[in-house]
Amino acid sequence: GESVGLHLPTLSVQEGDNSIINCAYSNSASDYFIWYKQESGKGPQFIIDIRSNMDKRQGQRVTVLLNKTVKHLSLQIAATQPGDSAVYFCAEIRDYGGATNKLIFGTGTLLAVQP
Amino acid sequence: NAGVMQNPRHLVRRRGQEARLRCSPMKGHSHVYWYRQLPEEGLKFMVYLQKENIIDESGMPKERFSAEFPKEGPSILRIQQVVRGDSAAYFCASSPGSTGEAFFGQGTRLTVV
Repeated sequence: GESVGLHLPTLSVQEGDNSIINCAYSNSASDYFIWYKQESGKGPQFIIDIRSNMDKRQGQRVTVLLNKTVKHLSLQIAATQPGDSAVYFCAEIRDYGGATNKLIFGTGTLLAVQP
Repeated sequence: NAGVMQNPRHLVRRRGQEARLRCSPMKGHSHVYWYRQLPEEGLKFMVYLQKENIIDESGMPKERFSAEFPKEGPSILRIQQVVRGDSAAYFCASSPGSTGEAFFGQGTRLTVV
């Protein structure tokens, strides 16, 4: 079935380096994407979102890139810090603002920041 | 403003018992979503509710699972006759409307023994 999946299950980076987490989605009709951070034992925390009419959005130390041609999403974290260590999920909404805004989650990437 | 509150945080049930998971959305939020997360997996959508209405239950198992969001009080996810395969973390999220950021609770970790 349709799904959102990630290329790398685990990403290990040095503190201070930039991190790039990738995500592939299969439904070209999806029009809203969100990155979540989940620390151990906690619920997902919103990081950044992007609508399908954009290809880039920046936040504080994070940037999301959307390539609709190849149905690819990425999260870039600048100057990665130990506190960034967590599992990162991309999620999509297929009809944002419609009857239901259920999130379709990918399987997650574990980001491990080495001091 | 308290966030989404879920209780209990941890719940242990024997096979065949009932599990009741509670979710109090953020103040002013009338939309609630339930998700299930198996170890080392992503969250899977279960059900979407507004006050007194089930909007989308396409992710709910056909048997033993039910959800409600009454006019007063928290949303309840109820699992009857639990089996070991029901062991998972169950997360609730709320939003103010059909658009807008969904905020997640800390989850209820259900263990069936």
